[in-house]
Amino acid sequence: AQTVTQSQPEMSVQEAETVTLSCTYDTSESDYYLFWYKQPPSRQMILVIRQEAYKQQNATENRFSVNFQKAAKSFSLKISDSQLGDAAMYFCAYRSANSGYSTLTFGKGTMLLVSP
Amino acid sequence: DAGVTQSPTHLIKTRGQQVTLRCSPKSGHDTVSWYQQALGQGPQFIFQYYEEEERQRGNFPDRFSGHQFPNYSSELNVNALLLGDSALYLCASSFRSASYNEQFFGPGTRLTVL
Repeated sequence: AQTVTQSQPEMSVQEAETVTLSCTYDTSESDYYLFWYKQPPSRQMILVIRQEAYKQQNATENRFSVNFQKAAKSFSLKISDSQLGDAAMYFCAYRSANSGYSTLTFGKGTMLLVSP
Repeated sequence: DAGVTQSPTHLIKTRGQQVTLRCSPKSGHDTVSWYQQALGQGPQFIFQYYEEEERQRGNFPDRFSGHQFPNYSSELNVNALLLGDSALYLCASSFRSASYNEQFFGPGTRLTVL
């Protein structure tokens, strides 16, 4: 079974600064997807960024980028130029690419606090 | 385009009761997954429905059951409620044939068991 570990329960950053959230995972599969989801106080889970394991290039979405280290099974999220609206719970998630029935395995989350 | 909707928003029940939660998927989606998110935890997969059948199931007891209707909407039923069933229940929909099958989440139903 796959597991996802987020070792930082809470992180703080000031507006306009950069912060990195850590995630490690364990799997015996070679083909999978990794995701970062954001869950603001409104509770709606929103996809921030995804990474296909077969791609060596790190994914980037505007101010959000990942550092994907497949051999180390590490998948960190970097948020540049942090904004107050980035404050939320961030979850790292894993999905196998081998099954047609997609299910997500989540970490416990990292609460990101953003101060002015 | 309406996204994933869930009802009700909040629900309070007592131990031993039964509850039904509802989910309408995003337009064009045919697969519905349910997750339980306990306070301070990440979501845990309960089960997934496609073509009105349960296709995958997580580590949840038989007290948790579901259904998918021909219009792809879905229900989650929990019988004999326990205090530990108090959680946010998230529904996610996806289109099975999509390239990486992104799941779109609803706002959740907060269930409190007293």
